[in-house]
Amino acid sequence: KAGVTQTPRYLIKTRGQQVTLSCSPISGHRSVSWYQQTPGQGLQFLFEYFSETQRNKGNFPGRFSGRQFSNSRSEMNVSTLELGDSALYLCASSPGGSEQFFGPGTRLTVL
Amino acid sequence: AQKITQTQPGMFVQEKEAVTLDCTYDTSDQSYGLFWYKQPSSGEMIFLIYQGSYDEQNATEGRYSLNFQKARKSANLVISASQLGDSAMYFCAMREGQKGGGGSNYKLTFGKGTLLTVNP
Repeated sequence: KAGVTQTPRYLIKTRGQQVTLSCSPISGHRSVSWYQQTPGQGLQFLFEYFSETQRNKGNFPGRFSGRQFSNSRSEMNVSTLELGDSALYLCASSPGGSEQFFGPGTRLTVL
Repeated sequence: AQKITQTQPGMFVQEKEAVTLDCTYDTSDQSYGLFWYKQPSSGEMIFLIYQGSYDEQNATEGRYSLNFQKARKSANLVISASQLGDSAMYFCAMREGQKGGGGSNYKLTFGKGTLLTVNP
């Protein structure tokens, strides 16, 4: 079974731009979660989707948004990028049990 | 208050020796789960081991075992027979939340991590 895939793996943007990151979960997994990892704040939960519905949301500004499609693939969007948005963005999928399987991440650099 | 505390920013261990990575947690939920993940320099989070709050036995997965002491709210990871490839960041995480129909409704809260270095 293929693992969680994230595209792109690396991204460089400038302040004020917007960005869309994509995550394809493991086949059959309906839950997708997003996390932001920075050296200062560590790993922080962004949001979780299940069957196209956002079930849980972390403490991030409204510039961070996401969605999930009927095939469980998920996208997250960050508008009006700030320097502090530079981070590794990790996506995780779950079959609905206790485990979450992470993808390799997208490393976003904002200049 | 931090929900997950990992007090060891860095640890060193000799190859083939055992090492314990500390994790304490704080929750008022009766039902919760505790996880350990490994993150090599490549960035991918690798699931190692899981312990449910109602599990009476300590979880084990190969060379990994979780020393779960519920009353002390600790969930330490023990790696036996360390290998050079074990050098990485290790994160303890907790799941709180309710089980919903068709799946779990939860998020993971992570600790700050422990950087483990295995010396030859």
